[in-house]
Amino acid sequence: DAGVIQSPRHEVTEMGQEVTLRCKPISGHNSLFWYRQTMMRGLELLIYFNNNVPIDDSGMPEDRFSAKMPNASFSTLKIQPSEPRDSAVYFCASSRLPHGYTFGSGTRLTVV
Amino acid sequence: KNQVEQSPQSLIILEGKNCTLQCNYTVSPFSNLRWYKQDTGRGPVSLTIMTFSENTKSNGRYTATLDADTKQSSLHITASQLSDSASYICVVSVILYGNKLVFGAGTILRVKS
Repeated sequence: DAGVIQSPRHEVTEMGQEVTLRCKPISGHNSLFWYRQTMMRGLELLIYFNNNVPIDDSGMPEDRFSAKMPNASFSTLKIQPSEPRDSAVYFCASSRLPHGYTFGSGTRLTVV
Repeated sequence: KNQVEQSPQSLIILEGKNCTLQCNYTVSPFSNLRWYKQDTGRGPVSLTIMTFSENTKSNGRYTATLDADTKQSSLHITASQLSDSASYICVVSVILYGNKLVFGAGTILRVKS
């Protein structure tokens, strides 16, 4: 089991550019979560999908953020246009409820 | 007010010593409580998961306790090792909305030799 796979591990981009973060959940898991972690706010849930359907996106900060899950094995989180305050570590996690979550290693995003 | 509060915010201990981290929560309806360890630059890794009916759960040198009446949990680390240096996050799962997780801010533990 390769775990939850996120790419890229690090991303540095200029303000205004589009950023796409990718996640491959564990096979057989039916829920997928996107989190953002900063020193100031800790871990925050952005959006989660159940069986590829977005269930709760109340944590998505602005319209600049969008997430998709076209199939059970792939999800993207897109920021367009990116801003310096979006700099954070973005984690993807998957789960087969009600069991424990498994987190990916995260994508460290720096917007300059 | 944060629904999951952890203390202390940070802690430094000597290798071989024991320590206890605290977590108080107000989240309800409660499904389960988890403790995660997050190493620098890595994703959180689950240490223990307890339902409201469980009082204690161990994972090696890590022992978590839960008092659902007072809504308090603790994570006890025995005979600490340098590799225990990490952030420890208390997470409460809410029954509604598919077991939505509510995260504490974490306790940063540093083990010194």
